[in-house]
Order: sequence, then C-alpha cells, then structure tokens
Amino acid sequence: KQEVTQIPAALSVPEGENLVLNCSFTDSAIYNLQWFRQDPGKGLTSLLLIQSSQREQTSGRLNASLDKSSGRSTLYIAASQPGDSATYLCAAPSSGTYKYIFGTGTRLKVLA
Amino acid sequence: SQTIHQWPATLVQPVGSPLSLECTVEGTSNPNLYWYRQAAGRGLQLLFYSVGIGQISSEVPQNLSASRPQDRQFILSSKKLLLSDSGFYLCAWNAGADTQYFGPGTRLTVL
Repeated sequence: KQEVTQIPAALSVPEGENLVLNCSFTDSAIYNLQWFRQDPGKGLTSLLLIQSSQREQTSGRLNASLDKSSGRSTLYIAASQPGDSATYLCAAPSSGTYKYIFGTGTRLKVLA
Repeated sequence: SQTIHQWPATLVQPVGSPLSLECTVEGTSNPNLYWYRQAAGRGLQLLFYSVGIGQISSEVPQNLSASRPQDRQFILSSKKLLLSDSGFYLCAWNAGADTQYFGPGTRLTVL
C-alpha cells in the first residue's frame, strides 16, 4: 500500500532564498510522481510530473527530482518570491492503478 | 484546450439533507475522473475514481456515492448528509498516466 510523506509540514523563508521540499513514498513501483501547488481555498495546480524513467524535470525556477530506489522526490525552488507562498503537495500512484496517494503537503511562506 | 468545471462553488446544507455535486470536463475524451475530499487541516482523500462510463471504484466506505452517466460527467451524491461530510470537494481528471488536472472545488458545510 502506497504511503506518501512530506517534510517539513511548514516552512518560512526570506525572499530570495533557495529551498528544498521533500517527499517520500513507500512503494517504489511507480510510473510517475506529481508535484502540485494549492493556494488557500483553491484547487490544485499541477507544477511538474516526473515519469519513472526520468530523474528530474524543470519548469522555470522549479526543479523536481525523483529517486525511485530510495523512495524520494525533492522539489527545488530557486530564488523564492512571496508569490511562491502556498501549500505544495506531492502525489504518487498506488501500484498498478490510476489512483494517486497524496502527501499532507508543505505549507510554504516566503517573507518579503 | 481542456477545462474542468465544478459546481456549486459553495454549499451549506443541513444534516440529513441530500447532496449532488457535479463535475464536467471539456476538450478530452475518455478521461479518468476522480473525486477527492480535503477536510480542514487534513490531506487529500481519494473518494472515488472512474476509468470509464459506469465504472466507479470506491475508496472509502461512507454515505457518499458517485456516478458517471456520460463520458465527461462525474457526479457525487449522498442521500443523507452527516456533519463529518463537511469539507472541500475536488474533482480531477487525467488521461491514462498523465498529469492530473483539478477543478476549482466545492466548499461544503453541513450544519
């Protein structure tokens, strides 16, 4: 059974700092892993999807890596901005299904 | 381009009343469809998912049900709401093993 854990639960950083968010999963037989952003009271916005054959994906200031053997993914945010403040969630599929299991998220606050 | 709609945006219902939330997707065919619930301060819980018309998988035994009467329509229902049904309900879709796209959500308060 897939379980997804995100650490830390909350993070507060000054503007301009580079930061790393962590995601761990227990079942490494995944075909992809997704990172999402959620603003308060809103739906989730897809940030990056990493296929199992890839080690990382980049979009602008965001870079996500995937290490299936260790059951870990990281989301790197470069030069953080106050607009990056949100909750970041990762999701991994449950083995052999289209069901996604979500972590409880990291609540990020970037201070101006 | 593909879009996903959910309505209503907010809903306040008394305990014991029925519920119907609707989700529709445009611009794609045969999507996988998902209903999630996010309770206050908690993570995203998968309630139902569907890989085709009439094919519904239930993840959590409770007083909710889902139906998929058309290819791009997914409905979440209840005959009698409980206080514990309060939360933020999100519909999502994807194509196969591709990225999941979420709707704007419905905030349900059961009083």
